[in-house]
Amino acid sequence: KQEVTQIPAALSVPEGENLVLNCSFTDSAIYNLQWFRQDPGKGLTSLLLIQSSQREQTSGRLNASLDKSSGRSTLYIAASQPGDSATYLCAVKGSGTYKYIFGTGTRLKVLA
Amino acid sequence: EAGVAQSPRYKIIEKRQSVAFWCNPISGHATLYWYQQILGQGPKLLIQFQNNGVVDDSQLPKDRFSAERLKGVDSTLKIQPAKLEDSAVYLCASSPNFAGPLWNEQYFGPGTRLTVT
Repeated sequence: KQEVTQIPAALSVPEGENLVLNCSFTDSAIYNLQWFRQDPGKGLTSLLLIQSSQREQTSGRLNASLDKSSGRSTLYIAASQPGDSATYLCAVKGSGTYKYIFGTGTRLKVLA
Repeated sequence: EAGVAQSPRYKIIEKRQSVAFWCNPISGHATLYWYQQILGQGPKLLIQFQNNGVVDDSQLPKDRFSAERLKGVDSTLKIQPAKLEDSAVYLCASSPNFAGPLWNEQYFGPGTRLTVT
């Protein structure tokens, strides 16, 4: 059974810092991994999608990497801004399944 | 392009009462998902529809939860009777196609926050 863990559960950093959010999964047979952002009282917004054959994806100040063999993904946020404050969730889709398994999220606060 | 619509946004009910949530996916999206997100946890898939057929409902508590998507467009999720542990945010999402890379892109609605007292 696939389990997805995110560490840390919460993170507070000053504006301008580069930071890394971690996601680990127990079953390396995945189809893809997706990072989402969730603002309070709102739904999820997709940030980056990494296929199982890819090592990383980049979008603006965000970079996500994937290491299937070790069951890990990281989300790198460069030059953090207060507007980046949100909960970040990773989700893994296993090979042969139709559904994503979500982690519990990292709650990020960027201080001005 | 209009996003995924959900209503109501908030609902407070007493235990053993019934409640229904409505979702209208993005126009043309064949796949619709209902997730339950308990405070402090990630979303958990309850049911997935492809058009008006059920693809996965393995985590839906079928003794009290039901969902339908009769015309392959909008969907209703019902809880009857509600329990305290059903307090959560219920998220609806949709995606364009069942196969191909676009399938992986899920577009989420704002959610319905349910409080059972």
